[in-house]
Amino acid sequence: TQLLEQSPQFLSIQEGENLTVYCNSSSVFSSLQWYRQEPGEGPVLLVTVVTGGEVKKLKRLTFQFGDARKDSSLHITAAQPGDTGLYLCAGGLYGGATNKLIFGTGTLLAVQP
Amino acid sequence: NAGVTQTPKFQVLKTGQSMTLQCAQDMNHNSMYWYRQDPGMGLRLIYYSASEGTTDKGEVPNGYNVSRLNKREFSLRLESAAPSQTSVYFCASSFPGARLEQYFGPGTRLTVT
Repeated sequence: TQLLEQSPQFLSIQEGENLTVYCNSSSVFSSLQWYRQEPGEGPVLLVTVVTGGEVKKLKRLTFQFGDARKDSSLHITAAQPGDTGLYLCAGGLYGGATNKLIFGTGTLLAVQP
Repeated sequence: NAGVTQTPKFQVLKTGQSMTLQCAQDMNHNSMYWYRQDPGMGLRLIYYSASEGTTDKGEVPNGYNVSRLNKREFSLRLESAAPSQTSVYFCASSFPGARLEQYFGPGTRLTVT
């Protein structure tokens, strides 16, 4: 069974602080995605990384895919209350008849004004 | 475009009752997925359909059946609901290819008493 472990599970910070969320696995993935989910809604894709060592920036969010394509991190600079939500990483398994994502357990972020 | 739609939004069942959750996408995606989300468990794959005419079991298929009715529609059926199936159910779809980027519906909150 492929597992994706996310840490921390919960994070409560003040507006303006920086934070990093980690996503780790022993499996190699063809892609790694980060989603954000708000209460009562479905997850929304933030970014996809596919190359080992790849770094992508989305405004104040920086995403990195590990060199071996087994782990990833999400760094938020100067967090704002609008960043509050559940962050989910997901590893892609693609090949042959397989075509699916394995999701991490999520990191619940609360940014206090 | 509506993206991914799910019906119903909420449902309460008694143990032993059956029901079908409906999902439709208008993005011409080949692949469709059903997940359940429980507190602390992240998103777990129930069934998926890589293309029209094919379905495969995911991580937690027991107690569920699926039908890929056509390219747009993918339904999930609970034949005899159990309290353990109380959860939030999400449908998702994606283009073919290794990126596996998924687009989610708004979810169905199911309670089995």
